[in-house]
Parts: sequence; C-alpha cells; structure tokens
Amino acid sequence: AQSVTQLDSHVSVSEGTPVLLRCNYSSSYSPSLFWYVQHPNKGLQLLLKYTSAATLVKGINGFEAEFKKSETSFHLTKPSAHMSDAAEYFCVVSGYLENTGFQKLVFGTGTRLLVSP
Amino acid sequence: DAGVIQSPRHEVTEMGQEVTLRCKPISGHNSLFWYRQTMMRGLELLIYFNNNVPIDDSGMPEDRFSAKMPNASFSTLKIQPSEPRDSAVYFCASSLETGPRNQPQHFGDGTRLSIL
Repeated sequence: AQSVTQLDSHVSVSEGTPVLLRCNYSSSYSPSLFWYVQHPNKGLQLLLKYTSAATLVKGINGFEAEFKKSETSFHLTKPSAHMSDAAEYFCVVSGYLENTGFQKLVFGTGTRLLVSP
Repeated sequence: DAGVIQSPRHEVTEMGQEVTLRCKPISGHNSLFWYRQTMMRGLELLIYFNNNVPIDDSGMPEDRFSAKMPNASFSTLKIQPSEPRDSAVYFCASSLETGPRNQPQHFGDGTRLSIL
C-alpha cells in the first residue's frame, strides 16, 4: 500500500528566509507524487507534480521539490518565503484502489506554514 | 477556464434535515471525487466516480450518505438525515484519467456545512 508522512505539523519561518517542508513516501512501485497548497477557506491547489521525469520538479510561486528514491523523500522548498505563502501544504502519493485497478491519491496530514514579518 | 464549481459555499441547517451538496466538474474530466475535511480526521475520500460510475464508495460514512452522478457535468452528495457530527468542509475534485499514472485532481472551493 502507498502512504505518505509529513514530518512536521507546523513550520515557522521569517519572510525572506528559505522554506523546507518535509515529506517521506512509501510505495511498492514507482510513484507519482504531488504537493498541494490550501489557503484558508479555499480548496486545494496543485503546486507541482512528479511523474518519473526530471527528479527536480519546479512548481508555481517559486516552489520546487526533489524526488530522492534512495531516501524515499519528496521535500518541498522555496528559497525565500513570502507572507502570501502562509497556508497548509499537503504531500500526496498515488495509490491503487484495492481490487479495482483504479488509482487514487493518498494525502498526508498536512504541514501548516507560518510566515512572520 | 472555469474550475470545479461547488454549491452552496456555506450551509447551516438543523439536525435531521436533508442536505444536498452540488458539484460541477471541469468540462472534459472523466473522474470525480468527493472528500470531507475536518480538523480531527483531515482529508477523507468519500466516493470516487469514473465515467459517471461509482468506483469506490468505501469512504462513505454510513447509509445516511449517498452520492449520484447522473451525467458528466453534475454530481450531488446527499445527507439524510443530517447529524451534528457531519459538520465539515466537503470538497469536490475532478481529474482526467488517461493512463496508468494519476493526473492531478482539481479541487473546488468546498462547501462548509454546519449541522446544529
């Protein structure tokens, strides 16, 4: 079965400093991995996705993530945080619905990013 | 392009009443998902449709919950009778499933449901 672990429930940074949100995954096959962001009172928005092409994936708003198979990690980074980055971030791995052959997304528990001035 | 559209955005109703949540997926998408989000349990997949057919409804909490997708452009999630523990934000998402790898899901802004 596929699973994903977000190692921090909360991360606090100052505006202008780097952001690191950590994610480890478990998958019995080569996975598809995603990062989503959720702003207050909004739905989840796709930040970036990895689907076995380049291991360094660039997303929107200056975010990027690196797929490291040896470490089973897919950490999200940004060089310089902005106040508008404050939100909840979800790491997601693709998985299979049992006995159907259909795929589903398995969501992490989320990391809340706090950005102070 | 229009994204996933959900209605209503907010719903407040009394326990025992019927609640109907609506979703219009992105045109051309063939998969639709209903999720529930709470502080205690996070994001839970309730039901998944592919080409208007329910594929997996194992996440539907109990018989009080039902979902339909009568055509490719509309889905409903109904709770009857509603209970206070059903209070949550309900999200609809859609995607285009074309092969062995998952395509991203696109989420609506959700319906915030409060059952008094």
